This record gives sequence, C-alpha cells and structure tokens, in this order.
Amino acid sequence: GENVEQHPSTLSVQEGDSAVIKCTYSDSASNYFPWYKQELGKRPQLIIDIRSNVGEKKDQRIAVTLNKTAKHFSLHITETQPEDSAVYFCAAPHQAGTALIFGKGTTLSVSS
Amino acid sequence: DGGITQSPKYLFRKEGQNVTLSCEQNLNHDAMYWYRQDPGQGLRLIYYSQIVNDFQKGDIAEGYSVSREKKESFPLTVTSAQKNPTAFYLCASSIAQGAGQPQHFGDGTRLSIL
Repeated sequence: GENVEQHPSTLSVQEGDSAVIKCTYSDSASNYFPWYKQELGKRPQLIIDIRSNVGEKKDQRIAVTLNKTAKHFSLHITETQPEDSAVYFCAAPHQAGTALIFGKGTTLSVSS
Repeated sequence: DGGITQSPKYLFRKEGQNVTLSCEQNLNHDAMYWYRQDPGQGLRLIYYSQIVNDFQKGDIAEGYSVSREKKESFPLTVTSAQKNPTAFYLCASSIAQGAGQPQHFGDGTRLSIL
C-alpha cells in the first residue's frame, strides 16, 4: 500500500520569507497529490492539488511541484504571512482508490 | 464546508461502552470516509465507503464499525474493543468517480474517555 513521508515536522519562518514542505510517496501508480491546511481546532481544508500529468501548479502565493521519477512533491509558500500559520498535510491515494493516505503534518509558524 | 455535519462536537465514553459518531452530508457525494487524528500522527484512515451498502477497512479499522444504509449518512461506532479511543475524529466525503477527487471534511468530533 501507499506510504507518505512528510518533512519537516515543524517549520518556523519570518513573515515575508518562503516556506517549503516536502513529501515522498511509495506507490509509483499514485496520480493525485493534494495539500490540506488545518488551523487549530478546525477542519482540514484543501489548498491546492496536483495530478501526475503536470509538474507544477500555482495559485497566488502557493505552488506545488511534483517529481514522479523521484516520487516526491513539495508545497511552496512565498511571501508568508502570520495567517499562514497552521498545520499542513500532504496526501496520496490509498490503494488507487478514492481514499487518501496522509503525511503526519508540518506545523508552520510565521512570526511577524 | 457546511455540506458535512458531524455530531456531537464532543463525546465522552465510559469503559466498556460503545458510542456512535454521526456524519451527514448534503453534497450528493458517493464516497465517504472516517479518519482519526492524534497529535503528531496526521490523519489515519479508519473506514471508507464508495457506494451505499458497501464499505472497506482502512489502516486502523480494529475496534470500529460503520454502516452505509443511506447515501447521506456514514455513522462510525467506536466499540469497547477500541482500547485507546481518545482522539479527534474527522468525516469526509468526495465524488467517487475514480481516484483523485478532493475530499471535503466535517468539523470533527472529539472523543474522550471518562
């Protein structure tokens, strides 16, 4: 089955800096890689996703890159703001179905 | 996402007791999921259902049971066999047209042992 590893577990940056979170996956057949943001006490919310037929996707200050050969994908946040502080989770498909396997999360802290 | 409602928000279980967590969605999604969240562990898949009257075990199904009698509802029962039930439980749903569909989450139920 799929296994997702996420690094780092915690990340502290200054406001305006960039933040990068990296995930690796094990199943070469996986074709969908979403990123979720979870603020304290709230539900996870999808912030961006990428499919295996593209290498990069951007949405304003957020971008995701995918390297299928190396089986890793990364979340890039530029010009970080205090409201970006949250836990971020990457995920990959569970056994080629619709369920997801999540990484253990990265706690991002942005200080002003 | 107001389309998925979990209840109750907080739940307390006594030793040897079964408790049921409710999850209802009005998004007309075929697939529904239950995840357990523990500090530092991310979200772990308990059970999922891609169609009414069918469901599959996830990675940590032991001590849990589910039913899917209606498209809108996917209740999770935490049985007395689950020895460490204290956690935050999240329900999600998605369109079940192959892999790669975004999942929408409810607000969660926090379960504690009395």
